Amino acid sequence: DQQVKQNSPSLSVQEGRISILNCDYTNSMFDYFLWYKKYPAEGPTFLISISSIKDKNEDGRFTVFLNKSAKHLSLHIVPSQPGDSAVYFCAATANFGNEKLTFGTGTRLTIIP
Amino acid sequence: NAGVTQTPKFRILKIGQSMTLQCTQDMNHNYMYWYRQDPGMGLKLIYYSVGAGITDKGEVPNGYNVSRSTTEDFPLRLELAAPSQTSVYFCASSYDSGGGSTGKLFFGSGTQLSVL
Repeated sequence: DQQVKQNSPSLSVQEGRISILNCDYTNSMFDYFLWYKKYPAEGPTFLISISSIKDKNEDGRFTVFLNKSAKHLSLHIVPSQPGDSAVYFCAATANFGNEKLTFGTGTRLTIIP
Repeated sequence: NAGVTQTPKFRILKIGQSMTLQCTQDMNHNYMYWYRQDPGMGLKLIYYSVGAGITDKGEVPNGYNVSRSTTEDFPLRLELAAPSQTSVYFCASSYDSGGGSTGKLFFGSGTQLSVL
């Protein structure tokens, strides 16, 4: 039972354009969401998070949007840069402070120069 | 800053062998975790610890054991290795927000394990 779903295994975007990565969840108890970025042969690194009390959180070129009624969140990267090429994982947890994160399967983003 | 250090980076085991994956962190984080990642899958939580002396099962604990005798170290033990344990293993840590884990995990670089 995949509670966090990233339905696009891969995405290619031209450099300078907007990258939009999507994530859907089924567990209505999830109230805190995070995005992680992973380069080959490295561990994931934290990118950005959002609490369910917000519908948007921005950090530089990265913005996460949360639509609670649709159980959907998205990560926008503007403008996309070659260094953004990586695998992006969406993660969720029920109750901030809970130790257990549920991860999606990841989306491989390739930025085309 | 070393962060989270995992050893070894690669290992090949024969079926039935045992081994310990080492993990240490130098950030004084209370929370530590072991995840595994299978091809095309997300990370699955194996075990976690909220502090020295305290461990608990995650989603996929069968075939593994852990201990947490110090804040810094959180080794993962595989007993009687099976092909189903072929995976990439990640250790991670996180700090206490005052109300639990922040969810912002710091990961090691991973251990690629093959059981043949």
